Amino acid sequence: EAGVAQSPRYKIIEKRQSVAFWCNPISGHATLYWYQQILGQGPKLLIQFQNNGVVDDSQLPKDRFSAERLKGVDSTLKIQPAKLEDSAVYLCASSLVWSGGGETQYFGPGTRLLVL
Amino acid sequence: GESVGLHLPTLSVQEGDNSIINCAYSNSASDYFIWYKQESGKGPQFIIDIRSNMDKRQGQRVTVLLNKTVKHLSLQIAATQPGDSAVYFCAENIQGAQKLVFGQGTRLTINP
Repeated sequence: EAGVAQSPRYKIIEKRQSVAFWCNPISGHATLYWYQQILGQGPKLLIQFQNNGVVDDSQLPKDRFSAERLKGVDSTLKIQPAKLEDSAVYLCASSLVWSGGGETQYFGPGTRLLVL
Repeated sequence: GESVGLHLPTLSVQEGDNSIINCAYSNSASDYFIWYKQESGKGPQFIIDIRSNMDKRQGQRVTVLLNKTVKHLSLQIAATQPGDSAVYFCAENIQGAQKLVFGQGTRLTINP
């Protein structure tokens, strides 16, 4: 079974530029998550989708971050404009269902973003 | 702030010894807990999970213990191997939300 795929793996941009990350979840997984992981910290949830609907985006900085999952499969996360503090690893994860209870989330390799 | 934390940021053990990684959580409503292993340059990898109606669960070389009275979670790794070197995170699910909150992580290093 293929895992969660993400691209690009690395990205270097200058502040105020825009950037987009792509995620393809495990086949059949209805729930998709985007996390931000700053160096030395645990992942922090940015947004959670159930199929193509947003379940939780309470921690997404909506003035500069946006995400979509139009067909309920792939997802993109965009930052526009980027700030220095956005330098982090952006992780995508997926889980089979959303039940309101605990479901195992499987993570992709992440995209490492450096904002100069 | 985060409701899940770890007692120690680093842990060094001898190869072949058992490792114990601890985690404290503060949300009594959490109903599901997961341990993840993260190697350098990779995403977190699922190790083992436990639900709040259990106090112990065993996997291959790993055991998770849950003490709800003191809100404490631990991961025990038997016969630690060089490949176990990584950062270990505990994460808790907020009941009803399916929202994982991660702790800061513990870096496990194996001495030969």
